[in-house]
Amino acid sequence: GQNIDQPTEMTATEGAIVQINCTYQTSGFNGLFWYQQHAGEAPTFLSYNVLDGLEEKGRFSSFLSRSKGYSYLLLKELQMKDSASYLCAVRETSGGGADGLTFGKGTHLIIQP
Amino acid sequence: DGGITQSPKYLFRKEGQNVTLSCEQNLNHDAMYWYRQDPGQGLRLIYYSQIVNDFQKGDIAEGYSVSREKKESFPLTVTSAQKNPTAFYLCASSTGVNLDEQFFGPGTRLTVL
Repeated sequence: GQNIDQPTEMTATEGAIVQINCTYQTSGFNGLFWYQQHAGEAPTFLSYNVLDGLEEKGRFSSFLSRSKGYSYLLLKELQMKDSASYLCAVRETSGGGADGLTFGKGTHLIIQP
Repeated sequence: DGGITQSPKYLFRKEGQNVTLSCEQNLNHDAMYWYRQDPGQGLRLIYYSQIVNDFQKGDIAEGYSVSREKKESFPLTVTSAQKNPTAFYLCASSTGVNLDEQFFGPGTRLTVL
């Protein structure tokens, strides 16, 4: 089984930088995913990490440390439209690549002017 | 345009009735998934299918049933045995290749009265 923890809510200022942390415990790790979800809408894919280190994609970066069971999502140059929930999800090695993901409860990010 | 669709967006049913939620994709994806999302909770996996005519239970399969007769379609039936059926239901698909992302449909909000 898996246990995924992330903060419930965070607040940041437009133009600033925010880091959303995620810790996980799993019997067999096979990738960590970050999704963005606006209220009442479907999650949209942001990034994934399978090896240790930083993956950068424009204003968004994601970091993974497998030995620590830790990841973070870094959002730079925050915009009002970044107000959303950010979901951390882990895939286990129990099966093939088509296994479902286990999601954390999500971090609700509020951007203030 | 390729994508994944769910219908209807809002669905109301009386307690004790079975209801089937539709999920269709034209992305030529082998794998499909059903998740449930409750307020303040993460997405939880109900069922998933890695290939046509095959499916596996997820973490909360009790009270639900699925079929996968066609690659494009993965309907979910919420039966009267499901004790708390009111929720936001999300369907997703992926190629099934390891570490590929899951694409989500717009979701169906089911309310049981």
